[in-house]
Amino acid sequence: KAGVTQTPRYLIKTRGQQVTLSCSPISGHRSVSWYQQTPGQGLQFLFEYFSETQRNKGNFPGRFSGRQFSNSRSEMNVSTLELGDSALYLCASSLSPSDSVDTQYFGPGTRLTVL
Amino acid sequence: GEDVEQSLFLSVREGDSSVINCTYTDSSSTYLYWYKQEPGAGLQLLTYIFSNMDMKQDQRLTVLLNKKDKHLSLRIADTQTGDSAIYFCAETPAFTGGGNKLTFGTGTQLKVEL
Repeated sequence: KAGVTQTPRYLIKTRGQQVTLSCSPISGHRSVSWYQQTPGQGLQFLFEYFSETQRNKGNFPGRFSGRQFSNSRSEMNVSTLELGDSALYLCASSLSPSDSVDTQYFGPGTRLTVL
Repeated sequence: GEDVEQSLFLSVREGDSSVINCTYTDSSSTYLYWYKQEPGAGLQLLTYIFSNMDMKQDQRLTVLLNKKDKHLSLRIADTQTGDSAIYFCAETPAFTGGGNKLTFGTGTQLKVEL
């Protein structure tokens, strides 16, 4: 069974640009969560989607948005990039938000560098 | 509010036991987790404990929870070089109603020396 896939793995953008990251969950998983990992702030929850609906949202500005498609694939978008948005963006999938805890699997992440 | 803290660094010799500690502040936590992150990789769930348990053992891993002191620890027996990684503790606050909104600790870098 394939794991969580994130594309692209590496990305370089300049300030002011926008970026879209993609996450394909494990087959059959319907819940997708996104996290930002930086050396300064650590791992922080961005948002969670289930059945194409945003279920939870972390404390990030409106420049950060996401969506989920009917096939459970999810994208996150960051507009008007700032230097501080440079981070590893991790996606995690699980069967559903209320499923047993050990079914949440993380992808390898997308490393975003903003110049 | 939610706050999870860990010591930044731990160095042990191969074959010894490692103990990684974590403190948290949210008394309503339901599940507490330990994740492992190797360089260039995502997070691997190692084990978890429900907040009404005191201890859980899974092969070389032992999790201890002191709910009164809000202290969580991960003991790795017979530590191997392959255990070198960053270890994160995480919690799920009860109000989320599910297991997907995790609050992570700062991470502990474990270095295993020969």
